[in-house]
Amino acid sequence: DAGVTQSPTHLIKTRGQQVTLRCSPKSGHDTVSWYQQALGQGPQFIFQYYEEEERQRGNFPDRFSGHQFPNYSSELNVNALLLGDSALYLCASSRRGSNQPQHFGDGTRLSIL
Amino acid sequence: SQQGEEDPQALSIQEGENATMNCSYKTSINNLQWYRQNSGRGLVHLILIRSNEREKHSGRLRVTLDTSKKSSSLLITASRAADTASYFCATDDYSGNTPLVFGKGTRLSVIA
Repeated sequence: DAGVTQSPTHLIKTRGQQVTLRCSPKSGHDTVSWYQQALGQGPQFIFQYYEEEERQRGNFPDRFSGHQFPNYSSELNVNALLLGDSALYLCASSRRGSNQPQHFGDGTRLSIL
Repeated sequence: SQQGEEDPQALSIQEGENATMNCSYKTSINNLQWYRQNSGRGLVHLILIRSNEREKHSGRLRVTLDTSKKSSSLLITASRAADTASYFCATDDYSGNTPLVFGKGTRLSVIA
């Protein structure tokens, strides 16, 4: 039973570029949440997708957008990259209404030069 | 902003000793969870305690929750070098909705 998978594992971009990160949820999960974790900090919630719609959003600018596909997988897009966007981006999946823990992937390490 | 605050920020102990980490939070919660993170990798779920529970055990882990003080503690008994990691508490709100709100974590070093 595959857990949450994320790709790519590492990515290097320059300021102003855009990036797309991908996430496949754990089998049986229908909700995907994205978190940003800066070095030495705890993860910060970006947004959550369920039934292909953004359901909740954290305090992140519109440069951060996402999508969920019919197979529950999800993408995180970031436009006009800034140096401060350098972080570990974590995807977590869960089953809506189950009140069970979220399962996390290993993350994508994004470095902005 | 972060709701949970772990204490201490860093902890160094000898193998075989017990490690205790504390977490405080600000608002009403539905669940409180503890996660482990090894060296910048993904988060591994350790244990979930619900707001109507006071104590929970899982193997060498013991979690307590005091909702009147808005605090929780994680005890790792008989620590091992492999327990070296960052530990985070995370809460979700009283409606049961995610997202999780994390603290900054406790960095645990277990010295063999």
